[in-house]
Amino acid sequence: GENVEQHPSTLSVQEGDSAVIKCTYSDSASNYFPWYKQELGKRPQLIIDIRSNVGEKKDQRIAVTLNKTAKHFSLHITETQPEDSAVYFCAAHNTDKLIFGTGTRLQVFP
Amino acid sequence: DSGVTQTPKHLITATGQRVTLRCSPRSGDLSVYWYQQSLDQGLQFLIQYYNGEERAKGNILERFSAQQFPDLHSELNLSSLELGDSALYFCASSVGAEGSTGELFFGEGSRLTVL
Repeated sequence: GENVEQHPSTLSVQEGDSAVIKCTYSDSASNYFPWYKQELGKRPQLIIDIRSNVGEKKDQRIAVTLNKTAKHFSLHITETQPEDSAVYFCAAHNTDKLIFGTGTRLQVFP
Repeated sequence: DSGVTQTPKHLITATGQRVTLRCSPRSGDLSVYWYQQSLDQGLQFLIQYYNGEERAKGNILERFSAQQFPDLHSELNLSSLELGDSALYFCASSVGAEGSTGELFFGEGSRLTVL
């Protein structure tokens, strides 16, 4: 079955710096790669997603890139702000299962 | 508010007991997913239902079972509870049978504590 690895597990950055979170997946049939943000004590919420026919997608300060050959995808957050502090989960969808990575705890210091 | 309702929000019980968690999906969503999130852990996929039928299964223990009813609400039954079952259980819903059709909308979760 699908396996998703996510790195790093924790990431601390200064406000205004960029943050990059990387994920790899195992099943080449996976075709949909969303990213969810979970603030402390709250539910996960979708922030951006990318499908296998696209290499890059951007939405304001966040962007996601996908390398199907290498089976990895990354989340890029530019000009980080304290409200970006949260746990970020990548996920890969294969047939009917959406498998999540283990999460990255991002802390943005003012 | 995601539109997904989970009850109860908190539940404390003893080892060996059985509990039922309930989920009402967003209006119009046919798929319901259950995920387990242990302390400092990721989201472990348990099971998915689509329009009343089991669609996909993840790492769900035999002590756990679920179903989706004709009105599309779902229940997750956890039996012979162990300390390690303590976790936050999320329900999520989406429109289509496959997650690739779009976003999963998560409920607020049911926090289970087994003492």
